[in-house]
Amino acid sequence: DTGVSQDPRHKITKRGQNVTFRCDPISEHNRLYWYRQTLGQGPEFLTYFQNEAQLEKSRLLSDRFSAERPKGSFSTLEIQRTEQGDSAMYLCASSSIQGANNQPQHFGDGTRLSIL
Amino acid sequence: GNSVTQMEGPVTLSEEAFLTINCTYTATGYPSLFWYVQYPGEGLQLLLKATKADDKGSNKGFEATYRKETTSFHLEKGSVQVSDSAVYFCALLIQGAQKLVFGQGTRLTINP
Repeated sequence: DTGVSQDPRHKITKRGQNVTFRCDPISEHNRLYWYRQTLGQGPEFLTYFQNEAQLEKSRLLSDRFSAERPKGSFSTLEIQRTEQGDSAMYLCASSSIQGANNQPQHFGDGTRLSIL
Repeated sequence: GNSVTQMEGPVTLSEEAFLTINCTYTATGYPSLFWYVQYPGEGLQLLLKATKADDKGSNKGFEATYRKETTSFHLEKGSVQVSDSAVYFCALLIQGAQKLVFGQGTRLTINP
């Protein structure tokens, strides 16, 4: 049973650098989500895709952030000109759209980003 | 707006104690409700869910009942184990929307 896979697990970079994270969802899942989790808090929604279409973006997603899902399979999240406040755990989740809208989201182990 | 409030942690119990973690919500419409668990160094795992009023979700000895009248979804377990030590998140999903709204999490530590 292959779950949601995220790469890398950890990323340490200097302020001002660009970083890119990858997420591979569960293979039959059409929907893919990105969340951000800071220490001691619950995850906060960033954006989601249905197949290759990006259908919703949070106001948390500044113009330095961009997410893509070019073929409706894996997704990338890029942060340009990183800032100290970007340090967080970035979580990816996926779900299917079969049946009711409230299919549970399955999460990966996350990418922990540390900005020096 | 939509929000979830969880009981503040950390919560520390002895093995075999009874557990309750309170969760209340504010939502437009009728949400589905979830409990997720996060073990150290891992991502979130779905623990249980309930999709309508009076539904009871259960898994691994944990239970939670969707109470519309009190807008609550409290997590309970009759006898906790050391392996239950983790952070627990209550979350809601508004029907037709796709973003989960999480509470701040409750850290649970079970001592042998």
